[in-house]
Amino acid sequence: GAVVSQHPSWVICKSGTSVKIECRSLDFQATTMFWYRQFPKQSLMLMATSNEGSKATYEQGVEKDKFLINHASLTLSTLTVTSAHPEDSSFYICSARPLRGRNEQFFGPGTRLTVL
Amino acid sequence: GIQVEQSPPDLILQEGANSTLRCNFSDSVNNLQWFHQNPWGQLINLFYIPSGTKQNGRLSATTVATERYSLLYISSSQTTDSGVYFCGTGLSFGAGTTVTVRA
Repeated sequence: GAVVSQHPSWVICKSGTSVKIECRSLDFQATTMFWYRQFPKQSLMLMATSNEGSKATYEQGVEKDKFLINHASLTLSTLTVTSAHPEDSSFYICSARPLRGRNEQFFGPGTRLTVL
Repeated sequence: GIQVEQSPPDLILQEGANSTLRCNFSDSVNNLQWFHQNPWGQLINLFYIPSGTKQNGRLSATTVATERYSLLYISSSQTTDSGVYFCGTGLSFGAGTTVTVRA
């Protein structure tokens, strides 16, 4: 149980295009989902926290107009990187916290974004 | 926010050896977790351990919440244990410990 999927697992795009990443909790409902980015050899950096049906809370320094987050249901959150540039290339990871039970998070497999 | 520090940053082990990884946090937490990131980037939950001690096979973890630290023990290490180990609260993560187990 507690499986989180991400799609796509990797994407290569041209500078200036927008990329959408999906995060789904497959066998549980998630009241809260989190988005992180990870640069090589570094730790995870929280970008934003999203709750179903409400606006995401962005961490300081993260542009909300650049990284659009939608949490339309208890099993799906999306991150859209708008007008992507090479410096947005990174490994993006989502996690989900179940609606019921303890305060534990489960992570998706990540999406590797490369912007040319 | 809460600061999380992990030590050591790197650990090289001979297969079969035991080791201890440490996680210090700057304030009280109620949702500390340990994760293993495999070579493909997937984060695998090891322990949800806001306090107390848990064991899962060759791995065990102890969190002493009052002293703001947690320990992850790896016993009889195997090459498949290689990777990066993170502790964190979900909002804050440590920098990780990179474990390399040599055959």
